[in-house]
Amino acid sequence: AQSVTQPDIHITVSEGASLELRCNYSYGATPYLFWYVQSPGQGLQLLLKYFSGDTLVQGIKGFEAEFKRSQSSFNLRKPSVHWSDAAEYFCAVNQAGTALIFGKGTTLSVSS
Amino acid sequence: NAGVTQTPKFQVLKTGQSMTLQCAQDMNHEYMSWYRQDPGMGLRLIHYSVGAGITDQGEVPNGYNVSRSTTEDFPLRLLSAAPSQTSVYFCASSRPDRGLIYGYTFGSGTRLTVV
Repeated sequence: AQSVTQPDIHITVSEGASLELRCNYSYGATPYLFWYVQSPGQGLQLLLKYFSGDTLVQGIKGFEAEFKRSQSSFNLRKPSVHWSDAAEYFCAVNQAGTALIFGKGTTLSVSS
Repeated sequence: NAGVTQTPKFQVLKTGQSMTLQCAQDMNHEYMSWYRQDPGMGLRLIHYSVGAGITDQGEVPNGYNVSRSTTEDFPLRLLSAAPSQTSVYFCASSRPDRGLIYGYTFGSGTRLTVV
């Protein structure tokens, strides 16, 4: 069965510092991977996705993610965090092209 | 385009009551799915559908029924609500050929409280 693990429940980063959110997946075939962000009380916004090709994927709001098949990872990065990036971040894998399986999420706090 | 529309936005039910959460999309998407979001648990897949007349169970299907009589609609039914079903419910849709390219379109959610 497919699964997604986000090892960090809560991360605090200083404004202007770099960020890396970890995501590990379990999937037998070539995975299709996504990162979503959710601000408090809001819906889900797609940050970026990977389904083939270049393993370094660029997304919106200055985020990027790198797919590493050997490590079964798809970590999300941002070089300089802004206070507005405080939110909950979800990694997800596509279930055979039909629906998504999500990780439990990582809450990002940004300190000034 | 309205995208994915979920109704109602908020609902309070008494234990044992039944209700249907509505989900409609106007994008001619074949794939639709329901998720519930609980603190610390992320979003968990309840049921999904790959087209009219075809549904399947996800990670947490117990206590929920679905049907897909049209491409546009994918209602989620709670036959006998329980406090454990208190959650925020999201519906999503995608096209088979584009779902992997453009991601999934999510509704704005239904916040359900069962007392």
